[in-house]
Amino acid sequence: GAVVSQHPSRVICKSGTSVKIECRSLDFQATTMFWYRQFPKQSLMLMATSNEGSKATYEQGVEKDKFLINHASLTLSTLTVTSAHPEDSSFYICSARDGSLDYEQYFGPGTRLTVT
Amino acid sequence: DAKTTQPPSMDCAEGRAANLPCNHSTISGNEYVYWYRQIHSQGPQYIIHGLKNNETNEMASLIITEDRKSSTLILPHATLRDTAVYYCIVSNQGGKLIFGQGTELSVKP
Repeated sequence: GAVVSQHPSRVICKSGTSVKIECRSLDFQATTMFWYRQFPKQSLMLMATSNEGSKATYEQGVEKDKFLINHASLTLSTLTVTSAHPEDSSFYICSARDGSLDYEQYFGPGTRLTVT
Repeated sequence: DAKTTQPPSMDCAEGRAANLPCNHSTISGNEYVYWYRQIHSQGPQYIIHGLKNNETNEMASLIITEDRKSSTLILPHATLRDTAVYYCIVSNQGGKLIFGQGTELSVKP
């Protein structure tokens, strides 16, 4: 099956710094990628949708200047959390869809971000 | 907002069938029913999806009522490794997946 990877799997950063999370589709070309965040004991919340080569579409309430998304190639999307605060500590999960084969979404393993 | 309603938790004995219900009374004609599960601290895993016919794969069966307002995911022989949160999602094919609260399934020995 299709594989999506994320890097890093865990990251700790200090308040005020920025951190970048990578999402890669390993064996297919992802025309669309999605970014979710998940707080403990809660469900996944969709943050944004990104299509290769175009600007991301953010869900209501998600600050686009704080969560920078770049989908520069068909196999890589990045999420940069800028000026991180402790309340940004969360589990960030990406998913990718290959529109040429089917419309299923394949999820990455997630990145645990802790802001101190 | 999620368009589905699921019980928050269920228990199942190991080796028995686990039947997870989902209500989606406002589903529209071109929306599919998707099921994903999430084992603790991992990314969601695709299980199965369907439009109106019942579907079966190596993991599970999906039974969709004739009026499409509800469905049931069946794990025929639950194992301890099936303990997870199960999410029922309705979406257009190729559309966004909006997760609700899901059902926390505990498979007990």
